[in-house]
Order: sequence, then structure tokens, then C-alpha cells
Amino acid sequence: AQSVTQPDIHITVSEGASLELRCNYSYGATPYLFWYVQSPGQGLQLLLKYFSGDTLVQGIKGFEAEFKRSQSSFNLRKPSVHWSDAAEYFCAVGGAGNQFYFGTGTSLTVIP
Amino acid sequence: DARVTQTPRHKVTEMGQEVTMRCQPILGHNTVFWYRQTMMQGLELLAYFRNRAPLDDSGMPKDRFSAEMPDATLATLKIQPSEPRDSAVYFCASGWTTGAPGVNTEAFFGQGTRLTVV
Repeated sequence: AQSVTQPDIHITVSEGASLELRCNYSYGATPYLFWYVQSPGQGLQLLLKYFSGDTLVQGIKGFEAEFKRSQSSFNLRKPSVHWSDAAEYFCAVGGAGNQFYFGTGTSLTVIP
Repeated sequence: DARVTQTPRHKVTEMGQEVTMRCQPILGHNTVFWYRQTMMQGLELLAYFRNRAPLDDSGMPKDRFSAEMPDATLATLKIQPSEPRDSAVYFCASGWTTGAPGVNTEAFFGQGTRLTVV
């Protein structure tokens, strides 16, 4: 069965520091992987997605993610965090004929 | 700027009342999802439509919830009768599914309906 695990419920980083949010997935075939961000009171916005090809994916707002099949991971990274990045981040997996399965989310706090 | 539109944004109702939430998917999208978000359960898929046909509503309590797509521009989620445990944020998302059996390329989310049942 498909599933997504985000091991970190909450992360705090200082503004300007680097960020890595972890995501592990379970899927029997080639996964389609997504990262979404949710600001308070808002819907989810797509940051980036991986379907195939280059395993390092660039997204909006300076985010990137790397697909590692051997580790079943799709970690999200940003070299320098801005205060406006404080939000909830969701990793999701989807596949052929399937809907999306979301992780439980990681809440990011940015300290000035 | 294409977006998924959900109405109402907020709804407070008394237990036992009928609640109807509406969603206008992005024009041209052929896939619609309904999700429920709570602190305890996170994002739960309630129902999923492709080309207006329901494909999966296994996540929805059948006795009180119903989801329909009367036409390509409107999806509805109804709760009758509503209960306090239904209090949550309900999200609609739309997307484009290609190929067979179909690959969901991504989902665009609305801003949600925050439902409070008292």
C-alpha cells in the first residue's frame, strides 16, 4: 500500500540557515512525488514535483528536492530560509490510476 | 489566474443540520478530489472523481456524506445530518489525469471550507 512518512512533526531554523525536510515513501511502482506548502488559513500550494528524469528537482521559492530510490526518500531542501517560509509542508505520493497520499506534514518555524 | 474556488469559506451550523460545500474546479481539469483536514488525522481523502464519475469514495462515511458532480464546473460535498466530529477544514482540489489507467499530474487546491458543527 502507498504511504508517506514525514518523520519530523516540527522543525525550527534560524533565518538564513539551510533547511532539509525529510520524506520517505512506500510505493510498489515508480512513484510520482510532490511537495506542497500550506500557509495558515490557506490551501496547499505545489512547490515541486518529480515524475521521472533528473533526480534533483527544482521548485518555486528556491526549494529543491532529491529523489533517492535506494532510500525511498524525497527530501526537500532550501539553502537559505526566509521568515516567509514558515508554514506547514506536506510530502505526497501518487501514481498511475491513483489519488494522492499525503504525509502528516512538517511544521516549520523560522527564528529571526 | 486559474484557481479552484470553494464556497463558503466558513460555515457554522448546528448539529443535525444539512451542510453543502461547493467547489468550482479549474476549467479543463478532469479530476476532482475532496479532502478533510483535522489536527488529529491530517489530510484524509474523502472522494475522488474523474471525468465527473466517482472513482473512490471509500474514505467517506456513507451514511451521512455524499459527493456529486452535477456538471464539469461544480462539485458538491454534502453532510446530512452534521455532527460535531465533522468539524474540520474541507478542501477541494482539481487536476488533470492523463493516459490509461491515468496519471495524476498534480492537484491544485482551493482555500478550503472551515466547518464548525456546534
